[in-house]
Order: sequence, then C-alpha cells, then structure tokens
Amino acid sequence: NAGVTQTPKFQVLKTGQSMTLQCAQDMNHEYMSWYRQDPGMGLRLIHYSVGAGITDQGEVPNGYNVSRSTTEDFPLRLLSAAPSQTSVYFCASSYSGTGTGRGEGYTFGSGTRLTVV
Amino acid sequence: RKEVEQDPGPFNVPEGATVAFNCTYSNSASQSFFWYRQDCRKEPKLLMSVYSSGNEDGRFTAQLNRASQYISLLIRDSKLSDSATYLCVVKNYNQGGKLIFGQGTELSVKP
Repeated sequence: NAGVTQTPKFQVLKTGQSMTLQCAQDMNHEYMSWYRQDPGMGLRLIHYSVGAGITDQGEVPNGYNVSRSTTEDFPLRLLSAAPSQTSVYFCASSYSGTGTGRGEGYTFGSGTRLTVV
Repeated sequence: RKEVEQDPGPFNVPEGATVAFNCTYSNSASQSFFWYRQDCRKEPKLLMSVYSSGNEDGRFTAQLNRASQYISLLIRDSKLSDSATYLCVVKNYNQGGKLIFGQGTELSVKP
C-alpha cells in the first residue's frame, strides 16, 4: 500500500500563478483533509471531505478550492498564489469510524513545501 | 481560547527520564483523541489513540479525563530517539471527523 501520496514534494510559484496540489490515498478512507503548517502556528485545517462529492471549509479556506470526485483523490487548488501561502501542506485521510478512536487516526502524506515569491 | 491547548515547550530531559505532556480541549463534543509525533520537517505520525480507560504502549501511557477535558502522555525511560514534537489531537465526528491539533510540545532528550 502506498498510503497517502502527495505531489509535488517541492514547488516554487510566482505571485498570481495557480496550481494544484495532488493527494491520493489507496486505503478506501472516507475522510480526507488538507492542512497547512507554518512556524509557530501549528497545523491548520484548510478544507476537508467526508466522502466523494462532499467537501467543507476548515479554519483557513480563503484562496483555496477543493473537490472530491472520487474516494481516492482530493486535490487542493491555489487560485492565485500569494506570498502568505508559503507553507508546508499536508494531506491526510482516515476511516470515518464509530467514534471509539480505534483504527481511526489519520494517515498523513509526506507534505508539499510551497514557496510563493 | 484555542480549542486544543498543550504545555508550552521545549522540554529538555536526560536519557532515562520520565516526562509528561498535558493537553486540554474545549469542545465537550470531541469524541476521539490521539497523540501524534512529528519529527523535524516530516509529516505527523500517529503515536497512539487515547481511550477513556487509559492505555499503554511500551514506554508510552496515555490518559483521558472526559470530565476535566484533559489528556496526558507519559513517556518513561526516555530515549534519544524520542526527541520530536508531540501533538495532542482531537477528532470531532459531528464536524465531519475534523482533526483539531494542539500547538505541539517539543521534546529534546539529551545524552
């Protein structure tokens, strides 16, 4: 199993450019999420999805779009890159579970390090 | 107030020491709890789930007190390889299974 695969691992964008960060999982997980991590800010939720066709906003959604057309894929689109979007982006997935916590932790991809100049 | 709050770090301890991390959460509807470990410039990795009855995994013991909305992680006999940032995490199933992270506590184990 590949787990959660994120591409690219590194990216440099110019201000105003758009791009899509790819995320794919092969574990048939219902839940998928995107986080960004900045120094001193911890991990902040951008968007999340509870299943194919269903997405919702997290804590910091502005400037980002997502879609979930399949269970496996959850791409994150930067509409018009800004220097404030320089960050490390993590995609994660988990089973929906029953609330017991057993086997319901999220698995994270290895991250995309994005610099906007 | 942050939804999940952790002890500020860093914790600098000698090898063999016992160290405890504390965490509080504000949303009483939070339903599942986890400790994650994150090494420098790497992705967070699940260390252990936290159950109401308390649970142990080798040198690691996690406790949950739902009444006080408090979670703890105890590491016994610290190893150099335990040096990392430890993240307290809650999962809310009535909010689409969102994970809410604490800021993390940095642990440095010295020889």
